[in-house]
Amino acid sequence: DAKTTQPTSMDCAEGRAANLPCNHSTISGNEYVYWYRQIHSQGPQYIIHGLKNNETNEMASLIITEDRKSSTLILPHATLRDTAVYYCIVRAIHNTNAGKSTFGDGTTLTVKP
Amino acid sequence: DGGITQSPKYLFRKEGQNVTLSCEQNLNHDAMYWYRQDPGQGLRLIYYSQIVNDFQKGDIAEGYSVSREKKESFPLTVTSAQKNPTAFYLCASAVRAGELFFGEGSRLTVL
Repeated sequence: DAKTTQPTSMDCAEGRAANLPCNHSTISGNEYVYWYRQIHSQGPQYIIHGLKNNETNEMASLIITEDRKSSTLILPHATLRDTAVYYCIVRAIHNTNAGKSTFGDGTTLTVKP
Repeated sequence: DGGITQSPKYLFRKEGQNVTLSCEQNLNHDAMYWYRQDPGQGLRLIYYSQIVNDFQKGDIAEGYSVSREKKESFPLTVTSAQKNPTAFYLCASAVRAGELFFGEGSRLTVL
């Protein structure tokens, strides 16, 4: 599995966009980028995933660079409830064996009033 | 409702005792995973299984054991060989390589 690298922590003002970067320079062609977040003492929650095109859902947007070596999760209007640890991982595409799914330490996002 | 259930939510154990954490899913997922989380740290993979009767070690398998006799169940046993078992344990399942669905976790404390 490709390894990901994320900053340890970030701050964001409430109402502003939060941009969380992730480096996955060793990603292979059959791997998606997935983002999860974890609020203290709960199970991680799925946010969004993508292969090579930018993706958007009701929670966030995902921007993947053309070479697929890095991505950015965008929370367009951060609220205090978005304060959490955000994890970026890579997983093989559907219809293949997923193998290991390794999480790093993630980015602790603190949204401030 | 479909989901993944972990039990117990809180568990206390004396040193030298084995303890088994339950993980059940009714999502018809092939793959199941166990992770360990220590305070202020990320998730570390203990074991994973992609099919019934088969499982593989993750990054920190020493002192743990698992079984996968049924598709919906993937119990984790923390043995006395695990030197520092106090942690938050998370179970997850997925359709092959799809999105991971997590349970709410089990918090184990060794007294």
